[in-house]
Amino acid sequence: AQKITQTQPGMFVQEKEAVTLDCTYDTSDPSYGLFWYKQPSSGEMIFLIYQGSYDQQNATEGRYSLNFQKARKSANLVISASQLGDSAMYFCAMREGINQAGTALIFGKGTTLSVSS
Amino acid sequence: DSGVTQTPKHLITATGQRVTLRCSPRSGDLSVYWYQQSLDQGLQFLIQYYNGEERAKGNILERFSAQQFPDLHSELNLSSLELGDSALYFCASGQGTEQYFGPGTRLTVT
Repeated sequence: AQKITQTQPGMFVQEKEAVTLDCTYDTSDPSYGLFWYKQPSSGEMIFLIYQGSYDQQNATEGRYSLNFQKARKSANLVISASQLGDSAMYFCAMREGINQAGTALIFGKGTTLSVSS
Repeated sequence: DSGVTQTPKHLITATGQRVTLRCSPRSGDLSVYWYQQSLDQGLQFLIQYYNGEERAKGNILERFSAQQFPDLHSELNLSSLELGDSALYFCASGQGTEQYFGPGTRLTVT
């Protein structure tokens, strides 16, 4: 079974609008972390935001916020006020056993975001 | 700039050959992770080293091996290369919860 599911292969948004990228996850580990990474066409992987399973509040980093709904096992990324430079592939990822000394990321298949002017 | 460096940036080689990819983690990070990104498999974890010791293995082929040296840099060795090994290979490092990725090495096997 897929541990990380991103159901939107592609999303389109206009500049200055908000967009939500969906991510659902599956784990039985009570200690896990959820991550979002951005991969522009140049190929590098850029860390955007992190949410721990025990965090009470939704994570925010500038224009990025993570809508964490633990009971639904969803961790959607919200980008406010989209910019042309936001056009990229976005990956949701999870680390199980987050309190252990280093566990690997499990990635979803990604969502391509296209921002138009 | 994540602070993780990878060389070379691009690599083109023929089937059957062997290549070595190099990674230097961020200063102070003891963990190094290797990931492969291909069109058909997506992003998948290969192997992790922590302070010179292998810590975890993912979907790494037997033709692939890695090591981490005393100065904490790591090398990923790919041998008997096949066309399907063409991919973007990332190294990542981290101390706490986050993992920071290097720019990747794009391997093309012809």
